[in-house]
Amino acid sequence: QQKVQQSPESLIVPEGGMASLNCTSSDRNVDYFWWYRQHSGKSPKMLMSIFSNGEKEEGRFTVHLNKASLHTSLHIRDSQPSDSALYLCAAMTNSAGNKLTFGIGTRVLVRP
Amino acid sequence: EAAVTQSPRNKVAVTGGKVTLSCNQTNNHNNMYWYRQDTGHGLRLIHYSYGAGSTEKGDIPDGYKASRPSQENFSLILELATPSQTSVYFCASGGTGGGDTQYFGPGTRLLVL
Repeated sequence: QQKVQQSPESLIVPEGGMASLNCTSSDRNVDYFWWYRQHSGKSPKMLMSIFSNGEKEEGRFTVHLNKASLHTSLHIRDSQPSDSALYLCAAMTNSAGNKLTFGIGTRVLVRP
Repeated sequence: EAAVTQSPRNKVAVTGGKVTLSCNQTNNHNNMYWYRQDTGHGLRLIHYSYGAGSTEKGDIPDGYKASRPSQENFSLILELATPSQTSVYFCASGGTGGGDTQYFGPGTRLLVL
């Protein structure tokens, strides 16, 4: 069964700073990665997805993917207090039939 | 974004009682999923469905049943609730393509006493 490891477990970032989150899959056949953001007491909301090697940027958020190392990272620049949340990495392999495996998450706190 | 609703939003049940959690989606997604979220474990898949009439076991199905009577509705059933099933339960829906995103409902907070 695929495992998804996230690091660090928690992160404190000053307002305006950069947050960097990491995620690695144990399955060499992983095909897709997602990053979800979950504010306290709310449900996970898809933030970004990445399926091909390289980088993808959307506003203040950038994701990287290196399929050879099964590693993806999420970077948040100019962090805002509203970015304080639990960030979940999820991975899927085509052979697993549209099932996602989630990491435990990285809790980000942005201090004003 | 996909619209997924869940009911009830909060539930207190007694040990040994039957609990039914309901999920409805209005975006005609074929796939639906039930997860539970616990501190230290993240989101874990309980049951999922590929369409009306189909249910499949996820990673932690013991103690749970599922029912998909229609494209829109997917229920999670705890026949004999136990305190270890106290958790937050999320329903999600998604398409059948490999890169299709799953969209989550607001969650149900279940306390089994």
